[in-house]
Parts: sequence; structure tokens; C-alpha cells
Amino acid sequence: QVQLVESGGGLVKPGGSLRLSCAVSGFTFSDYYMSWIRQAPGKGLEWVSNITSSGTFVNYADSVKGRFTISRDNAKNSLYLQMNSLRAEDTAVYYCAREHFYYGSGSTFDWWGQGTLVTVSS
Amino acid sequence: DIQMTQSPSSLSASVGDRVTITCRASQSISRYLNWYQQKPGKAPKLLIYAASSLQSGVPSRFSGSGSGTDFTLTISSLQPEDFATYYCQQSYSTPLYTFGQGTRLEIK
Repeated sequence: QVQLVESGGGLVKPGGSLRLSCAVSGFTFSDYYMSWIRQAPGKGLEWVSNITSSGTFVNYADSVKGRFTISRDNAKNSLYLQMNSLRAEDTAVYYCAREHFYYGSGSTFDWWGQGTLVTVSS
Repeated sequence: DIQMTQSPSSLSASVGDRVTITCRASQSISRYLNWYQQKPGKAPKLLIYAASSLQSGVPSRFSGSGSGTDFTLTISSLQPEDFATYYCQQSYSTPLYTFGQGTRLEIK
């Protein structure tokens, strides 16, 4: 069955760095775009970044551009998010999610991991 | 960026009630609209895609409608397991995806 398992979250000081990982199984990872989506405590969902299936193209929300880097290793069925210059407002649960495109109908996040909590605090 | 606004922000209802949640986009997004359900401490779950298509495995009491800027999610007869927070999400401006702020559905 499809599984996405995030890891790497934790407590970090402002200005610090953290690298999140998402291990995937149950589908052909290299066929799919992947995204990171975050949720601050008690708040709604915010799309953070995505990466094409081959890893050639990446996109970022303005709130993280220049500080976060998304990458993937298709041989290891893994997705990553390198987070630098972290701020208090980056505190959130970070989810990895599979993007599924429906011809002529846009795309969805059809499978999600359980999330990993990142806390930025001194 | 396309802004998504849900109403109401919270809603109290009883088991068996028919419930409707609305999502409005700041510009036309055709039918590029998805709905998710999230329970406390869990990841969101896809319910409806492309405004009205039911995701595999989702009960038929969930339905979606709309196009352009106005969309609705309807639960025809609330079940105990339906009490959760619901989010809409647009995929028109791929990849600058945006979500609504959420609608919390509580037991009356």
C-alpha cells in the first residue's frame, strides 16, 4: 500500500537549519511530482514547495523562497526539504504529499504522510 | 495569488443533518477545486477533486459542485465520523496552490 513517512523534524533555534526527509513506498515514486505542505499549530494548510518527477524543476512559496530547497532521490524513493535561516513563523507540521494530475481536471494531493513537527524557538 | 475563502469558519450540526460548506475563489478557477477532510492529529484526506468527482473510497454522502468562483461541499446525512475540519484547495494556478482557511464541523 502507499506510504509516505516523514522524518527529521525537531526543535531548532532561529537562524538554524534542518533537513526533512520523506520515504515513499507503494507506488512508482519517479512517476510523480511531490510537494511539501505545512500547517502551523492550530492553523490552516500552506503549500510550501514542489518538485517535478525527474527533479528538474522546483517551485516555492514566496514565504520560503531563498531559504528552503526541495530535492529528491528517485533511486532511494525519497523526498527532501532543506530548511535554512529558520524563523519562528516556520514552526509547523510539515507534510509530504503526492501530486496526482487528472487530465483536464487539475491536480490533487492524493496521498499524504503523517507529518513531522518543526519547532523554531530559542 | 488566488485567495480561497470558506464559509462558515465553523459549524455545529447533528448526526443525520445535511450540511453545506462554501468555498469562494478570488478569481475564476474553472473546476480546479479539491476538498479535503482533516481530523485532529491526522493528515488531510482527499474527498473530492475537480469540483465534483468523488475520490475512490469516499462515501457517496459527500458531494461537490460549482465552477468559476463559487463551490460547495455537501454532506447529505452527517455521520459521527464526519466531524472534522474541511479545506478547499485550488489547483488552477499550478504550482502556486492555495487552500481555504478551513471549516470546523462540530457536533451540536
